[in-house]
Amino acid sequence: GQQLNQSPQSMFIQEGEDVSMNCTSSSIFNTWLWYKQDPGEGPVLLIALYKAGELTSNGRLTAQFGITRKDSFLNISASIPSDVGIYFCAGRDTGTASKLTFGTGTRLQVTL
Amino acid sequence: SAVISQKPSRDICQRGTSLTIQCQVDSQVTMMFWYRQQPGQSLTLIATANQGSEATYESGFVIDKFPISRPNLTFSTLTVSNMSPEDSSIYLCSVASGGASTQYFGPGTRLTVL
Repeated sequence: GQQLNQSPQSMFIQEGEDVSMNCTSSSIFNTWLWYKQDPGEGPVLLIALYKAGELTSNGRLTAQFGITRKDSFLNISASIPSDVGIYFCAGRDTGTASKLTFGTGTRLQVTL
Repeated sequence: SAVISQKPSRDICQRGTSLTIQCQVDSQVTMMFWYRQQPGQSLTLIATANQGSEATYESGFVIDKFPISRPNLTFSTLTVSNMSPEDSSIYLCSVASGGASTQYFGPGTRLTVL
């Protein structure tokens, strides 16, 4: 099935640094979601975006719904060791009644 | 958000056997979904579990291989039939309510087929 392109695929950063990742699609979405998955667990919802141009924060996390509706961005400020994990974007398009398409994932590793 | 549990959390199975995975939610939900996550990969939707009717399968997934039940609004099962090593994956259920765009995931079932 279709997948969203996420970049970077992986990143190593130092504790305290800011992190940016993005997700792009060839299709328009009307909802963008960002999830984090820790090893051995299911994805946990971080942020949901419902409108083009929307900017939403959740603690140190900030995500934006791109104006073109074909992309989304997630920023993490002042990273800490527990930010380690895999981050997935997911999009819901206009005609698929709650079905989500997931991105390829960004693996984040934080060094002290 | 709903609390979602899955059983078993993990299993090691022999080729040719079948495994049924259960998903239980602590509140009634409109929609339940089953996903597969192959090692090191993203999530792929297997099917939408419909209450009282046959599940809706995505391209590449068939009922004979992945039969699904959803007898009520809080419970669903996914069976992985006639397993092969290629079925080794994490199987995840998720739920959404009403027309909600957001989905919440269970902890997953890690399946290894020898």
